[in-house]
Amino acid sequence: DTAVSQTPKYLVTQMGNDKSIKCEQNLGHDTMYWYKQDSKKFLKIMFSYNNKELIINETVPNRFSPKSPDKAHLNLHINSLELGDSAVYFCASSHVRAAGLANEQFFGPGTRLTVL
Amino acid sequence: RKEVEQDPGPFNVPEGATVAFNCTYSNSASQSFFWYRQDCRKEPKLLMSVYSSGNEDGRFTAQLNRASQYISLLIRDSKLSDSATYLCVVNGWGRSGNTPLVFGKGTRLSVIA
Repeated sequence: DTAVSQTPKYLVTQMGNDKSIKCEQNLGHDTMYWYKQDSKKFLKIMFSYNNKELIINETVPNRFSPKSPDKAHLNLHINSLELGDSAVYFCASSHVRAAGLANEQFFGPGTRLTVL
Repeated sequence: RKEVEQDPGPFNVPEGATVAFNCTYSNSASQSFFWYRQDCRKEPKLLMSVYSSGNEDGRFTAQLNRASQYISLLIRDSKLSDSATYLCVVNGWGRSGNTPLVFGKGTRLSVIA
């Protein structure tokens, strides 16, 4: 009964390709996130969706496009992959709280992307 | 100043030792504070939330000092299974329910037999 799942777990691809990572959560949460963890292990928010609506879009190149078909899914599509995109991408989800507060976020197992 | 700063580590301690991690944060408007644990090649998982009055969960004690914008985690009687990276996490500021979490770079702990 995986709470937050991601596919694929590993993704090796050539520069310039387009790829997608899928994420699904079965926790009934209404907010989902994408994080990038680089080689220095620094975990940084990329996007946040609440009820299929984009809420947070950090300074991410527009080659990255999230898509949320429903509350339980948040996919990440990446165009024209570059070497610097190599990282681990984590999906997460949480419940909404009042403004200024944050709830525990549950993370997926991560997708290790390697761009050659 | 980085948003969340932690002890650089790594901390190598013998089993049974007590170890303390410190963290400072720059956003005085932050209201939610957490310690997450991340094992090698795994996802981060919540270890404990941190409350203003301080809180304890078994061998783990978390403290928050809002005036100094400082958070700590104390682990008593370290076990081999405590070996992991400990991430200090605070929330940023955003619209209702969507305050992003800001993660520190983490402090690596190795407990040695």
